[in-house]
Amino acid sequence: IVLTQFPDTLSVSVGERVTLSCRASKTVRNYLAWYQQRPGQGPRLLISDASYRATGVPSRFSGSGSGTDFTLTINNLEPEDVAVYYCQQRNYDGLTFGGGTKVEI
Amino acid sequence: QVQLHESGQGLVRPSETLSLSCSVSNFSLGHGYFWGWIRQPPGRGLEWIGHIHHTGTTYYSSSLRSRVSISMDVAKNQFSMKMTSLTAADTAVYYCARGGYNDPYDYWGQGAHVTVS
Repeated sequence: IVLTQFPDTLSVSVGERVTLSCRASKTVRNYLAWYQQRPGQGPRLLISDASYRATGVPSRFSGSGSGTDFTLTINNLEPEDVAVYYCQQRNYDGLTFGGGTKVEI
Repeated sequence: QVQLHESGQGLVRPSETLSLSCSVSNFSLGHGYFWGWIRQPPGRGLEWIGHIHHTGTTYYSSSLRSRVSISMDVAKNQFSMKMTSLTAADTAVYYCARGGYNDPYDYWGQGAHVTVS
């Protein structure tokens, strides 16, 4: 299963709402996760099973979608949210990551 | 807090074998979950390598299956990966993480930098 993320890069202002998209080549039901990777750091789980925030993740992050189309929304963007965001699916066949969306201020 | 820590070679010659281990703290591997390996070439995205369960069940990326093996030592609370026939394209940061088959990757190691040269 191929995951396509768009756009490749988002340039936004602090305080704005940001919407990132992830599209699967075939249905992944709701087995879709989102990760944040800040510059120079490892990945961090933000959202599991399409819409469940991981422990400690701020409420301004939310996920939605099912099947083939998913969205990660960041409300009131903060400077610390500058990062690359990856979606990831898992199924019986294995696991794949999307190519990532870079969010910059 | 579950902690993972990768260790192994930082520099490997082309055609040789990479061996990495991941030590886990504050969670017993025998208590469940899959445990995985993910890599990230310089300036690029994340690539799944494979994952293992304490029962010995393993799953591998189709593109790496012929060169990768993942094993687990529950007594030492660590799991390991071997990758053979390395080329420069295998230069990457290699991460170990908890999760995979049934769960997302919720805990990650800090990453091991591996250069093939």
